[in-house]
Amino acid sequence: AQTVTQSQPEMSVQEAETVTLSCTYDTSESDYYLFWYKQPPSRQMILVIRQEAYKQQNATENRFSVNFQKAAKSFSLKISDSQLGDAAMYFCAYRSPNFGNEKLTFGTGTRLTIIP
Amino acid sequence: KAGVTQTPRYLIKTRGQQVTLSCSPISGHRSVSWYQQTPGQGLQFLFEYFSETQRNKGNFPGRFSGRQFSNSRSEMNVSTLELGDSALYLCASSPSGTGVPGELFFGEGSRLTVL
Repeated sequence: AQTVTQSQPEMSVQEAETVTLSCTYDTSESDYYLFWYKQPPSRQMILVIRQEAYKQQNATENRFSVNFQKAAKSFSLKISDSQLGDAAMYFCAYRSPNFGNEKLTFGTGTRLTIIP
Repeated sequence: KAGVTQTPRYLIKTRGQQVTLSCSPISGHRSVSWYQQTPGQGLQFLFEYFSETQRNKGNFPGRFSGRQFSNSRSEMNVSTLELGDSALYLCASSPSGTGVPGELFFGEGSRLTVL
């Protein structure tokens, strides 16, 4: 079974600065998908960024980018120019590549606080 | 396009009772998944339905069940409630087979408190 570990329960960053959230995972599969989801207080969880394991290039979405290290099974999220609206719980998630398997395995989350 | 709608948003039950939660997915989405979120266990997968069939199931006791209707709306039921069932229950839908693999669209959740 796959596992996802987020070792930072809480992180804080000054507004406009850069922060990196860590995630490691364990799997025996060679192909898979990795995700970062954001859950703002009392709001819906939304997808921030995703990475296909077969792609060597790190994914980027505006101020959000990942550092995907397949051999190390590491998948960190970097948030540049942090904004107050980035304050949320961030969850790293894993999905097997099998069609018809929509199950995500989530890490325990990192609560990100933005300091004005 | 309307998002994922979950009802009720909040509910309080007592031990031994049962509860039914409802989820209306985004129009056109055929897959509906349910997750339980607690401070101690985090987000845990309950089950997933696709075209009225349970396609995947997590590691929860048989007290947790669900179903999906022909219009893709889904319900989950928890019988003989225990204190440990207190949680935020999240529903998520996806088109499954199109769009971004693994991109789930979540509802705001149903917060269940068991007394």
